[in-house]
Amino acid sequence: QSVLTQPPSVSGAPGQRVTISCTGSSSNIGAGFDVYWYHQLPGTAPKLLIYGNSNRPSGVPDRFSGSKSGTSASLAITGLQADDEADFYCQSYDSILSASVFGGGTKLTVL
Amino acid sequence: QVTLRESGPALVNPTQTVTLTCSFSGFSLSTSGMCVSWIRQPPGKALEWLALIAWDDDKYYSTSLKTRLTISRDTSKNQVVLTMTNMDPVDTATYYCARNSGDYMSGMDVWGQGTTVTVSS
Repeated sequence: QSVLTQPPSVSGAPGQRVTISCTGSSSNIGAGFDVYWYHQLPGTAPKLLIYGNSNRPSGVPDRFSGSKSGTSASLAITGLQADDEADFYCQSYDSILSASVFGGGTKLTVL
Repeated sequence: QVTLRESGPALVNPTQTVTLTCSFSGFSLSTSGMCVSWIRQPPGKALEWLALIAWDDDKYYSTSLKTRLTISRDTSKNQVVLTMTNMDPVDTATYYCARNSGDYMSGMDVWGQGTTVTVSS
């Protein structure tokens, strides 16, 4: 069981908006530690999508946005495109484990 | 340009010790604040953080695996090495190294391509 909880899958039609949740606890997201989001295409390494809860690295389209509230965080993707299909992971730091922790991953399907 | 590349044996026998090397360029692990992490991903499963080494040689380990892991660095070679003892088939995974974007509590901004390790007799 992952320390951070994500839905196993989400889907949406091209052009639509989807959100992916990441639920943690008072020892990680709720303690104020930053949340990071990664996307991973099949057979490739993860790539940083969002850092510091809501910041996009250079080159990431503004269709991707992150937010955080309390013990949870969310990734929103607007204007869905076929090549957005990927696995998405959230990550933060846990003060009890003294370790970085990942969510279980969410598979995005574009219908 | 920051790059990282993992290397190591593709096949390991159960109970053996595996040594994985992360060779990187574009940054120095001697620079204040720099950290490098190891993460693994079993086939079809989620990412799992394993260990981190910081610029000041501080080391952090996954609680569940810390008795089996050792992380070290060779700053002259720009390499980080991870050893894992007593390998088991459940350790079959792709192992990634990545540069942390900040301190030991931060995420990873640049990842290597990964090296696949299969544990089987």
